[in-house]
Amino acid sequence: AQTVTQSQPEMSVQEAETVTLSCTYDTSESDYYLFWYKQPPSRQMILVIRQEAYKQQNATENRFSVNFQKAAKSFSLKISDSQLGDAAMYFCAYRSAAIWGNEKLTFGTGTRLTIIP
Amino acid sequence: DTGVSQDPRHKITKRGQNVTFRCDPISEHNRLYWYRQTLGQGPEFLTYFQNEAQLEKSRLLSDRFSAERPKGSFSTLEIQRTEQGDSAMYLCASREAHTGELFFGEGSRLTVL
Repeated sequence: AQTVTQSQPEMSVQEAETVTLSCTYDTSESDYYLFWYKQPPSRQMILVIRQEAYKQQNATENRFSVNFQKAAKSFSLKISDSQLGDAAMYFCAYRSAAIWGNEKLTFGTGTRLTIIP
Repeated sequence: DTGVSQDPRHKITKRGQNVTFRCDPISEHNRLYWYRQTLGQGPEFLTYFQNEAQLEKSRLLSDRFSAERPKGSFSTLEIQRTEQGDSAMYLCASREAHTGELFFGEGSRLTVL
């Protein structure tokens, strides 16, 4: 079974600075997807960024980028120019790329990010 | 609002009572998912539907839990004979076919006294 580990329960960063959230995962599969989701307080979870394991290039979405190290099974999220609206729980998640019977996302326990004005 | 909607947002019940949650997915999404999130944890997969067919169920989904999606549109999740351990946020999500992105609702928070 796949597992996802987020070892930082809480992180804080000064507004406009850069912060990196860590995620490691364990799988025996070679093809899969990795995600970072953001869950603001009392709001729905939204997708921040997604990475396909077969792609060597790290995904980037505006101020959000990942450092995907497939051999090390590491998938960190970097947030540049942090803004107050970035404050939220961030979840790392894994999904198999197999066609059948692997629809579920496996989530880590989350990292609570605080932005200091 | 064309997002995923869930009802009720909050439910407080006494142990032993039955509760039902409803999820209305984004209309063009044919896949619908239920997750459970307890305090301090990430969401855990419960089950998913493609149209009206329930294709996968987690071992977390005991026989007190039943989910339906009768017409391939909205879905219900019923918990019978609730226990205090059922207290959690129940999240629904629907999936965009092309990108595979999941869109989550705001969740239904259950408190069992």
